[in-house]
Amino acid sequence: KAGVTQTPRYLIKTRGQQVTLSCSPISGHRSVSWYQQTPGQGLQFLFEYFSETQRNKGNFPGRFSGRQFSNSRSEMNVSTLELGDSALYLCASASSGSGSHEQYFGPGTRLTVT
Amino acid sequence: ELKVEQNPLFLSMQEGKNYTIYCNYSTTSDRLYWYRQDPGKSLESLFVLLSNGAVKQEGRLMASLDTKARLSTLHITAAVHDLSATYFCAGQVGTSGSRLTFGEGTQLTVNP
Repeated sequence: KAGVTQTPRYLIKTRGQQVTLSCSPISGHRSVSWYQQTPGQGLQFLFEYFSETQRNKGNFPGRFSGRQFSNSRSEMNVSTLELGDSALYLCASASSGSGSHEQYFGPGTRLTVT
Repeated sequence: ELKVEQNPLFLSMQEGKNYTIYCNYSTTSDRLYWYRQDPGKSLESLFVLLSNGAVKQEGRLMASLDTKARLSTLHITAAVHDLSATYFCAGQVGTSGSRLTFGEGTQLTVNP
């Protein structure tokens, strides 16, 4: 079974631009969560999508948004990029069926904002 | 709101020694996870602990959960250099879907 894939793996953007990151979950998994990892703030939850609906949201500004498609693939978008948005963005998928919420993480997208 | 704290944050140890990483959490957590992260890499799942008294072991690592004390431990036995990495614990509350709340991470360095 293929793991979680994320594209692109590396990205360099300029302040004020916007960016879209993509995540393909493990086949059969319906839950996709996004996390931001920075040296200063650690690993922080952004949001979770389940069956195309946002099920949970972390404490991030509205510049951070996401969506999930009918095939469970998910995208997250960050608008008006700031230097502080430089981070490793991790996507995780879970089956969320039969009480299983174990998350499997993708390789991450390293975003650098200059 | 669930809060998770780990200690120590930095751990330097000699090969062959034993040590324990502690993970405290603030409110009821239905599941407790341990992950490993190598520099520049993603998170690798180590253990999932579901119930009070749960103990799981894989090689030189053993994790346990005490829900009454709201404490999980990751014990390292006879450390080897390959165990050098950052270890995270994370709590998950059943009513919050798959959302994980992570501790700060423990950066482990095993010296030859």
